[in-house]
Amino acid sequence: DAKTTQPTSMDCAEGRAANLPCNHSTISGNEYVYWYRQIHSQGPQYIIHGLKNNETNEMASLIITEDRKSSTLILPHATLRDTAVYYCIVTLASNFGNEKLTFGTGTRLTIIP
Amino acid sequence: NAGVTQTPKFRVLKTGQSMTLLCAQDMNHEYMYWYRQDPGMGLRLIHYSVGEGTTAKGEVPDGYNVSRLKKQNFLLGLESAAPSQTSVYFCASSRDYRGNEQFFGPGTRLTVL
Repeated sequence: DAKTTQPTSMDCAEGRAANLPCNHSTISGNEYVYWYRQIHSQGPQYIIHGLKNNETNEMASLIITEDRKSSTLILPHATLRDTAVYYCIVTLASNFGNEKLTFGTGTRLTIIP
Repeated sequence: NAGVTQTPKFRVLKTGQSMTLLCAQDMNHEYMYWYRQDPGMGLRLIHYSVGEGTTAKGEVPDGYNVSRLKKQNFLLGLESAAPSQTSVYFCASSRDYRGNEQFFGPGTRLTVL
């Protein structure tokens, strides 16, 4: 699986859009980009994933560059409840399934009132 | 739906004692996983299962055993606990290889003295 690089921490004002970057320059053609977040002391929560097209759901948007070497998770209107550690994960879809997610240390996002 | 539940929530063991952590899911998911999370680190996969009666090793399997006798349950055993196994343990499940959205339990905080 490709390695990812994320900033250690970020701040964002409440109500503004939070843009979390992730570099995955060694990503291969059949690897997906997944985003999870972990609110303090809770289990991780799935946010969104994509292959090469931009994706949007009720929680966030995922923008993947054309060369797929980086991506940005966008929380459009951040609230205090979005304060969490955000993990960018690149994983291969194998014949047996995506059995393993490799969680790095992620980005600690703090929403400022 | 309760989702993924873990029992117990907290436990303190003495070195050499044994215990079993129980994970249960009511979503009829094929895949189940056990992770551990240590302070300042991301999650690391211990063992996983791709279906009832199957198990496989993850990134850090030493000192742990698992069993998947029923589809809805995934047990993690520590035969002889060591202080290095002090950690927060998370269980997760996912539907199948077509989507790697993993649903996580609330975690078990284990301390080995």
